[in-house]
Amino acid sequence: TQLLEQSPQFLSIQEGENLTVYCNSSSVFSSLQWYRQEPGEGPVLLVTVVTGGEVKKLKRLTFQFGDARKDSSLHITAAQPGDTGLYLCARGGYGQNFVFGPGTRLSVLP
Amino acid sequence: DAMVIQNPRYQVTQFGKPVTLSCSQTLNHNVMYWYQQKSSQAPKLLFHYYDKDFNNEADTPDNFQSRRPNTSFCFLDIRSPGLGDAAMYLCATSRVGKGDEKLFFGSGTQLSVL
Repeated sequence: TQLLEQSPQFLSIQEGENLTVYCNSSSVFSSLQWYRQEPGEGPVLLVTVVTGGEVKKLKRLTFQFGDARKDSSLHITAAQPGDTGLYLCARGGYGQNFVFGPGTRLSVLP
Repeated sequence: DAMVIQNPRYQVTQFGKPVTLSCSQTLNHNVMYWYQQKSSQAPKLLFHYYDKDFNNEADTPDNFQSRRPNTSFCFLDIRSPGLGDAAMYLCATSRVGKGDEKLFFGSGTQLSVL
């Protein structure tokens, strides 16, 4: 059973465009994390959201946690080639409770 | 800088030849994880250590074993690698007890099986 869903699975855009990717679950999260993984590297934590309705910004990235804490979105403004990578959402917890979504593979073309 | 270090970055082994991947951390985190990641897929948890307590995922093959001799080091042993075991292997750590666990990953070891 896929506990976390991410959409779209793949996204290819031109430099300067805006985009939004989504993470959804039928379960309530205690917290949710977004990671970015560049080719040949391990994932790197971008942000943790904990409170329903929370919005966090990291430069051109805006993360939103749904009011019901079942979904989240990541919006990138004016995408750059350096944003290319695999974006993973993960349900907070440790060990077997640390569940990753299948990821959105983003390609930003110059 | 505190970090998670994996060696080697690239490992080539032969079908059926045992291989060991290593991970060390300077974060003093109490939990260490091993993930397997195949191309275009999300990382899949194989097992984790909470201090010295070993926790195996139900669907992790017996071919995969792990050792954690101390807080800083953790090893992944693949006893008889098959072609299907070719993947990126990621080590991660976290500090449990703060109520907001986060994973810190190493750069991974890319395993090829010939």
